Amino acid sequence: AQKVTQAQTEISVVEKEDVTLDCVYETRDTTYYLFWYKQPPSGELVFLIRRNSFDEQNEISGRYSWNFQKSTSSFNFTITASQVVDSAVYFCALSSGGGGNKLTFGTGTQLKVEL
Amino acid sequence: GAVVSQHPSWVICKSGTSVKIECRSLDFQATTMFWYRQFPKQSLMLMATSNEGSKATYEQGVEKDKFLINHASLTLSTLTVTSAHPEDSSFYICSARDPRQGAGSNQPQHFGDGTRLSIL
Repeated sequence: AQKVTQAQTEISVVEKEDVTLDCVYETRDTTYYLFWYKQPPSGELVFLIRRNSFDEQNEISGRYSWNFQKSTSSFNFTITASQVVDSAVYFCALSSGGGGNKLTFGTGTQLKVEL
Repeated sequence: GAVVSQHPSWVICKSGTSVKIECRSLDFQATTMFWYRQFPKQSLMLMATSNEGSKATYEQGVEKDKFLINHASLTLSTLTVTSAHPEDSSFYICSARDPRQGAGSNQPQHFGDGTRLSIL
C-alpha cells in the first residue's frame, strides 16, 4: 500500500522567513514518482515539481527548493524568503505502478504567511 | 504549459437535479483523466479514472450510477452527478495527464480549477 504523510497541518510564518514543509512517503515499488502541488484559496491545484525515485539530486527553482532523501523516505519542500502570495495548501503526492499509476495525496499543509 | 479547463466553476441547484461538469484538456490529448472530490480542509479523494473510449474505473465506495463519467473524446471528460442531494455538495476537481511529459506514473497530472457544487 502507498501512503504519504504530511505531519504539519498548519504552519504560520512572517514574511521573509524560510519555511520547510515535510513529506514522508511509503511504497513497496522501487520506481516511483513524487510531486508537490500548491492549492491557493481559489481552489485550483498548481503543479510545482516532479521527482523520480532514481534521481536524488536536490532541486532549486527560484525561492523554492526540494530535498529528496531516499534513506528517510522524505521529500521536503523549502520556501526561502516567504511571501504573502505563498499562502496556500501544499500537497505532496506519490505515484507508482504498484499504486495503479494513480496519485496518492498527503493530507496537505496549510501555509499562512503574514506581514 | 499544460492547461486543463473545467466548467462550470460554481453550481447551485435544487435537490433532485442532475448536474454535468466538463473537463477539457486544451493543448494536449488526454487518454486518461481523473475525477476527485474534496471536502473543506481535507485532501483530494479520487473518485474515478476516466478512460477515453472505454468505461471509467471507479474507486471503492463511489456509486457508478450516481456519478456518471463519459470520456468520449481525447480532450473531454464529463462527470454527471445524477439526482443530486445536499450530501453531494462538495468541490469536484478533474485532472489530466500530459503524455508529452513522460509515461505512466511519471506523467504529472494537471488540474482544472474545480467546480463548487451546492445542492439546496
